Amino acid sequence: SAVISQKPSRDICQRGTSLTIQCQVDSQVTMMFWYRQQPGQSLTLIATANQGSEATYESGFVIDKFPISRPNLTFSTLTVSNMSPEDSSIYLCSVVKRGARREETDTQYFGPGTRLTVL
Amino acid sequence: GENVEQHPSTLSVQEGDSAVIKCTYSDSASNYFPWYKQELGKRPQLIIDIRSNVGEKKDQRIAVTLNKTAKHFSLHITETQPEDSAVYFCAVHNAGNMLTFGGGTRLMVKP
Repeated sequence: SAVISQKPSRDICQRGTSLTIQCQVDSQVTMMFWYRQQPGQSLTLIATANQGSEATYESGFVIDKFPISRPNLTFSTLTVSNMSPEDSSIYLCSVVKRGARREETDTQYFGPGTRLTVL
Repeated sequence: GENVEQHPSTLSVQEGDSAVIKCTYSDSASNYFPWYKQELGKRPQLIIDIRSNVGEKKDQRIAVTLNKTAKHFSLHITETQPEDSAVYFCAVHNAGNMLTFGGGTRLMVKP
């Protein structure tokens, strides 16, 4: 498995401000993702965090609003910029861990999430 | 892109009964189908998965079946217990190496 930590675990922010969320993994991983989960909803992929290059964003998400850094294979940050109440959500970091043996499948794990409330 | 539909959105069963959740998908090239369980306030946890070369997989009280022709797969939980109460998400993994999630099913097991 993968041990994933996120900071902060929760925050309450004023509209117009920005928050940076950190994700740390206990081992090197190739694939790292950021998801958003609005209250009572499913998980929506925001972007794939690429090490050494710009993140790949899904439809509806843009770099200016959600800048992402991936300086190495164990760490990434997601910034929620110029926040509004609509950004209130849980933001989850996720990684893909390769199977230990050739016949084992890759598995995707999730961090504990960051609960963001924007007033 | 991939479209994943999950039914039912809520499911209430009596303790000891079985629960079945079904997902359909659109991309016939999809090749990996995990199920996640999310308890209130916690992260999604992988509980079982199946690859496209297998029709059924079982792990104690949970099983997943896959019908590639019909493009649907199902989660089966037998002898349900109150601790099975949670939101369950199916997901579909495609060639783009990303997961698309279903809308989730809130399972309530009544003691």
